[in-house]
Amino acid sequence: KAGVTQTPRYLIKTRGQQVTLSCSPISGHRSVSWYQQTPGQGLQFLFEYFSETQRNKGNFPGRFSGRQFSNSRSEMNVSTLELGDSALYLCASCQWGGSTDTQYFGPGTRLTVL
Amino acid sequence: AQTVTQSQPEMSVQEAETVTLSCTYDTSESDYYLFWYKQPPSRQMILVIRQEAYKQQNATENRFSVNFQKAAKSFSLKISDSQLGDAAMYFCAYTKNNDMRFGAGTRLTVKP
Repeated sequence: KAGVTQTPRYLIKTRGQQVTLSCSPISGHRSVSWYQQTPGQGLQFLFEYFSETQRNKGNFPGRFSGRQFSNSRSEMNVSTLELGDSALYLCASCQWGGSTDTQYFGPGTRLTVL
Repeated sequence: AQTVTQSQPEMSVQEAETVTLSCTYDTSESDYYLFWYKQPPSRQMILVIRQEAYKQQNATENRFSVNFQKAAKSFSLKISDSQLGDAAMYFCAYTKNNDMRFGAGTRLTVKP
């Protein structure tokens, strides 16, 4: 099976712009989670989608949003970018999203905000 | 809120020797899952080992094993016969409802 894929791998934006990141889960996986990784804050949970519905949400401002399509692919959107949004954004997929599941991570999208 | 603490920002081990990475967590739940993930320079997060809290037996995966002390809320990772390819950041993680919380990570260096 192909692993989790994320596009694009690298992105450079300027403050105030918006950005959309994409994640394609492993075939058969219906749960997709998003994480932000920064040197200062480490790995932080953004949100989790299952069957096109947001099921869990971390402590991030409303500028961070996401959605999931019927084929389980997910997108994450960040509006009005700030310098502090520069980070590695990781998505992870698993079959059902319950605690018994293991999350498999994609390679990440490196976002730089200038 | 659940928190995960890794008190060792950096660790070093000689090739072929054993090293233990520490992790403690805070939760009021009785049923949850714990993980160790490895992140090499490629930044790809790779699952190393997982432990179900309701299982008393410590998980083992080849050279990797854990010491799970539920009452102490401790979850350490032991790497035996360390190899150069083990060099990476190691993250301890806790999850209850797929809201995964990570520790700050431990950077492991393996010396030849």
